[in-house]
Amino acid sequence: AQSVTQLGSHVSVSEGALVLLRCNYSSSVPPYLFWYVQYPNQGLQLLLKYTTGATLVKGINGFEAEFKKSETSFHLTKPSAHMSDAAEYFCAVNHAGGTSYGKLTFGQGTILTVHP
Amino acid sequence: GAVVSQHPSRVICKSGTSVKIECRSLDFQATTMFWYRQFPKQSLMLMATSNEGSKATYEQGVEKDKFLINHASLTLSTLTVTSAHPEDSSFYICSARTRGVGTVKTYEQYFGPGTRLTVT
Repeated sequence: AQSVTQLGSHVSVSEGALVLLRCNYSSSVPPYLFWYVQYPNQGLQLLLKYTTGATLVKGINGFEAEFKKSETSFHLTKPSAHMSDAAEYFCAVNHAGGTSYGKLTFGQGTILTVHP
Repeated sequence: GAVVSQHPSRVICKSGTSVKIECRSLDFQATTMFWYRQFPKQSLMLMATSNEGSKATYEQGVEKDKFLINHASLTLSTLTVTSAHPEDSSFYICSARTRGVGTVKTYEQYFGPGTRLTVT
């Protein structure tokens, strides 16, 4: 069974500072991993995804994440935070097979606050 | 491409009434649609998976007679909350997945903007 753990329900950074949101996963098969962003009262927007190939993936709005199999991690980073990055971020793993094929399991979410 | 819409965006209803939420894939055919609910300050919880033309598969603990899901076409799925009660108040989000045509990938889910249901 797949599971996702996001370390830290709240992260606060200053504008211009590095953003690091942590995600660890558990999967019995090679995972497909995703990061989504959610603004208040809105649906989810895909930031980036890892399926196969290059382990460092770049997404929209300057975000990137690195898949580290040995650490079962998929942390999200951005070199310089912007006020507009303030939102809730969800890490998710895709079920690759069996009766749960195609389902996403989400982490608990991390609220990012950006201070001026 | 890959746009999913939901209607309505907000709905307030009285306890005991039923509410229907529509989820549409606007520019692709969705062979599978997923329905999630999200309580305040919590993550998304999958309620059910619906495949076009077949019965929905509900997650454990989700009452199928209370949350009726219909996926009658490749672009439309509906969630009906029957005899709604205040505890059903939540943010309901749908997503859609396709086999994959062009740039729309098979493993990605495309999310709607959500529907805020308030039951008074």
